[in-house]
Amino acid sequence: GAGVSQSPSNKVTEKGKDVELRCDPISGHTALYWYRQSLGQGLEFLIYFQGNSAPDKSGLPSDRFSAERTGGSVSTLTIQRTQQEDSAVYLCASSFSQTYNEQFFGPGTRLTVL
Amino acid sequence: AQTVTQSQPEMSVQEAETVTLSCTYDTSESDYYLFWYKQPPSRQMILVIRQEAYKQQNATENRFSVNFQKAAKSFSLKISDSQLGDAAMYFCAYMNEQGAQKLVFGQGTRLTINP
Repeated sequence: GAGVSQSPSNKVTEKGKDVELRCDPISGHTALYWYRQSLGQGLEFLIYFQGNSAPDKSGLPSDRFSAERTGGSVSTLTIQRTQQEDSAVYLCASSFSQTYNEQFFGPGTRLTVL
Repeated sequence: AQTVTQSQPEMSVQEAETVTLSCTYDTSESDYYLFWYKQPPSRQMILVIRQEAYKQQNATENRFSVNFQKAAKSFSLKISDSQLGDAAMYFCAYMNEQGAQKLVFGQGTRLTINP
């Protein structure tokens, strides 16, 4: 079956522009996560959606970052007014439920801010 | 807050040999999960093995096994009969059983397999 997909695979943008990164989780998975992987900070949690509950936004690094999940499926991570330190690989993962918690990862979006 | 430490930035092993990757973690929780993920150059994180903290028996998946020492907060990964396809970054990760189901990752260990 299809795994987690992310688009675009790579994104190059200019400092100050807004970007949107998309994640399509595995069908039927109720939990969705965003992580960021950068050279300086390693792998860090950004945000977590579980069903219809309010998302856990505790990992978002600034108010320039936001995410939404429409219809309990596709998620979009938006970064406003991008900065060079936002350059990283953004990974999305999904899991079947909160109790069966193996997270399946997508291939990531490599964001480069010039 | 929980932390995960991988003290070996790089490791190498001869093909068909055995290698052990180290991981320690810090938590005040008694119930949690531990994972080893593999990340090849394709960037896709792949789950290698998981361990529930309440289980005393070490998890095993084919050539991969762990040495889970709960009191010492240690969770090492042993790869037996190393294969060229095992070359990748390996990340140790922690997750609380309760609350936010987010993974806390270590810094990673780059494993090279020498033919």
